[in-house]
Amino acid sequence: AQSVTQLDSHVSVSEGTPVLLRCNYSSSYSPSLFWYVQHPNKGLQLLLKYTSAATLVKGINGFEAEFKKSETSFHLTKPSAHMSDAAEYFCVVSIYGNNRLAFGKGNQVVVIP
Amino acid sequence: DVKVTQSSRYLVKRTGEKVFLECVQDMDHENMFWYRQDPGLGLRLIYFSYDVKMKEKGDIPEGYSVSREKKERFSLILESASTNQTSMYLCASSHRETQYFGPGTRLLVL
Repeated sequence: AQSVTQLDSHVSVSEGTPVLLRCNYSSSYSPSLFWYVQHPNKGLQLLLKYTSAATLVKGINGFEAEFKKSETSFHLTKPSAHMSDAAEYFCVVSIYGNNRLAFGKGNQVVVIP
Repeated sequence: DVKVTQSSRYLVKRTGEKVFLECVQDMDHENMFWYRQDPGLGLRLIYFSYDVKMKEKGDIPEGYSVSREKKERFSLILESASTNQTSMYLCASSHRETQYFGPGTRLLVL
């Protein structure tokens, strides 16, 4: 069964410093992978997705993620955190055959001025 | 841009009331989903639909039902609301694997 592990449920970063959110997945096939962001009291917004093309995926708001099959990882990065990046981030993997998704538990990111 | 709208952002209901949550998408997507989101439990799938009048149970369907009479609209129904159904409800639609979410409905059952 497909699953996602996001360590560090809470992450604090200083404004202007890099952001790194780790995601490891488990899948018996080559999955599609996604990162979503959720600001307080809002829905989930798609940041980026990997669907078996380039392994380095660029998303919105300066975020990018690298798919590493050997490490079963899909870590999210941003070179310089902005106050508006304070939100919860979800790593998500597709479930084979039925268009469903498996969600990680999320990383709550706090940006310190 | 894909647009998924939900009928209410905030809703307060009494225990035992019948509650309807509506979701509409404008991208002609085949698949639509209802999730609930609770602190510490993440997102959990309640029901999904892959076509008009078709539905599948998700991971936590108990206490809920759904209706999809038109392709663009997917309704979640709480037949008799209970306090443990207080939650954030999120609707999503997709063509294939990529899901697009609505803004959510925060439901409080008193």
